[in-house]
Amino acid sequence: KAGVTQTPRYLIKTRGQQVTLSCSPISGHRSVSWYQQTPGQGLQFLFEYFSETQRNKGNFPGRFSGRQFSNSRSEMNVSTLELGDSALYLCASSLVPGQNTGELFFGEGSRLTVL
Amino acid sequence: QKEVEQDPGPLSVPEGAIVSLNCTYSNSAFQYFMWYRQYSRKGPELLMYTYSSGNKEDGRFTAQVDKSSKYISLFIRDSQPSDSATYLCAMSKGNQFYFGTGTSLTVIP
Repeated sequence: KAGVTQTPRYLIKTRGQQVTLSCSPISGHRSVSWYQQTPGQGLQFLFEYFSETQRNKGNFPGRFSGRQFSNSRSEMNVSTLELGDSALYLCASSLVPGQNTGELFFGEGSRLTVL
Repeated sequence: QKEVEQDPGPLSVPEGAIVSLNCTYSNSAFQYFMWYRQYSRKGPELLMYTYSSGNKEDGRFTAQVDKSSKYISLFIRDSQPSDSATYLCAMSKGNQFYFGTGTSLTVIP
């Protein structure tokens, strides 16, 4: 069974640009969540999608947005990039939200560098 | 104050040592407690999860939860070089997850 796939794995952008990251969850998984990982802050929750609807949103500015498609694939977009947006962006999938068994399955992440 | 606190380390131990990793938390509403392992350039992978206070063992790994003290631990027995990774504690309430910043562990052969 294929795992969570994230593309691109690495990308470099300059300040002011925008970026779109993609995530394909494990087949059959309908919930997708996104996290930002930085050395100082650790994993910080961005948002969660289920059935094309955003169910939860973390404490990030409106420059961070996302969406989910009918096939459960998800994208996140960051507009007007800032240096502080440099991070590893992780996507995680689970069967359904509220499945409180800790079983989030993570992709390998998209490493964004903003120059 | 962060909801989940974890000592970032780094922690360096000789092969065969017993490793103790710890996290504290402030929110008594947390229901599930988890440990994830993250190798360099990889995403986190779930190691163990538990719901109640007490111990849960899986091979060389033991997860311990003390809800009264709001404290969780992960013990690794007979540590191996392949255990070298960053270990993240995580907790959940409802369907929201809260992660520690991770402890970097190196096991020296």
